[in-house]
Amino acid sequence: DAGVTQSPTHLIKTRGQQVTLRCSPKSGHDTVSWYQQALGQGPQFIFQYYEEEERQRGNFPDRFSGHQFPNYSSELNVNALLLGDSALYLCASSFEGYQETQYFGPGTRLLVL
Amino acid sequence: AQSVTQLGSHVSVSEGALVLLRCNYSSSVPPYLFWYVQYPNQGLQLLLKYTSAATLVKGINGFEAEFKKSETSFHLTKPSAHMSDAAEYFCAVSGVDDYKLSFGAGTTVTVRA
Repeated sequence: DAGVTQSPTHLIKTRGQQVTLRCSPKSGHDTVSWYQQALGQGPQFIFQYYEEEERQRGNFPDRFSGHQFPNYSSELNVNALLLGDSALYLCASSFEGYQETQYFGPGTRLLVL
Repeated sequence: AQSVTQLGSHVSVSEGALVLLRCNYSSSVPPYLFWYVQYPNQGLQLLLKYTSAATLVKGINGFEAEFKKSETSFHLTKPSAHMSDAAEYFCAVSGVDDYKLSFGAGTTVTVRA
């Protein structure tokens, strides 16, 4: 049973560029959440997707956008990258009926230079 | 809005000693509470969760946590530390109608031989 997978594992970008991160949920899960974890801090909620719609959003600017596909996989897009966007980006999946239990992937480490 | 506070950013214990990690929550309604563990350069792994079924919750790897409403606490314990317990631990909270997880700042555990 495959868990949550994310790609790529590491990424280096320069300020102003755009980046797309990808996530495949755990088998049987239909909900995907994205979190940003800055160095030395706890994860911060970016948004959650369910039925291909953004269901809830955290306190992040519109530069952060996402998408969920019919197979439940998801993308996180960040435009106009800032140095402060350097972080570990975590994807978590859950099943709608048990939405409170989220299972995390290994993350994508983004470095913005 | 729900939030959690983890008391102590670093905890150092001897191998075989009790591990105690403190978490206090702030919530206007009975919350869902979680403990996650993060090993270096990895994602988050669910240790245990409280969803009002029982106040003492047993998790993986010998960890357990007790929900105390009167103290608004959800402290994590393990009777005997093992070297493999060295990691960062996060307490998180989610409301019944709140899809996101709100994390504490984390507690780093080191285990001395």
